[in-house]
Amino acid sequence: DAKTTQPNSMESNEEEPVHLPCNHSTISGTDYIHWYRQLPSQGPEYVIHGLTSNVNNRMASLAIAEDRKSSTLILHRATLRDAAVYYCILTNTGNQFYFGTGTSLTVIP
Amino acid sequence: NAGVTQTPKFRVLKTGQSMTLLCAQDMNHEYMYWYRQDPGMGLRLIHYSVGEGTTAKGEVPDGYNVSRLKKQNFLLGLESAAPSQTSVYFCASSESRQGRTEAFFGQGTRLTVV
Repeated sequence: DAKTTQPNSMESNEEEPVHLPCNHSTISGTDYIHWYRQLPSQGPEYVIHGLTSNVNNRMASLAIAEDRKSSTLILHRATLRDAAVYYCILTNTGNQFYFGTGTSLTVIP
Repeated sequence: NAGVTQTPKFRVLKTGQSMTLLCAQDMNHEYMYWYRQDPGMGLRLIHYSVGEGTTAKGEVPDGYNVSRLKKQNFLLGLESAAPSQTSVYFCASSESRQGRTEAFFGQGTRLTVV
């Protein structure tokens, strides 16, 4: 399965945008890019996913590079409730979700 | 909708004891998964199922068995618990659309083996 690389941690000021990067240089043509987040003491929560085009939903935006070897999760205005570990995951025909160690986001009031 | 429900939420076992963790989903999903999460680490896939009556191994299957007798339920068994199996266990489910749909997770079962 293709692997992803994320920074271990990032900080953001409250009410500012946050850009969380993910590298996936071995991505295949059929891999979907998923993002999940995990708040303390909770199960992971779906954020967004995409294949080739940029995607927007009520929680976030996903920007996918033209060569698909990297992507960026964008939180438009960080709140304290967005403090969590964010995971970038690739899935394909096997429909399996393999998690890495993710990026721990700290939001500063 | 309850989504994905895990039973129990907490459990303490003695080394060598057995137990079964139950995962139930009410979304008619084909795929179900069991993960474990150790402190400071991401989730690791133990076993998964692509439909009723099927199971397959994930990254860390040793010491665990699973069964999917009914589509809505996925059971994770520990036959002889070891301290190394102390972890938080998460169940998840998803539709079988080849990565196109999201996974839904339960709230976890915190298991301590002493």
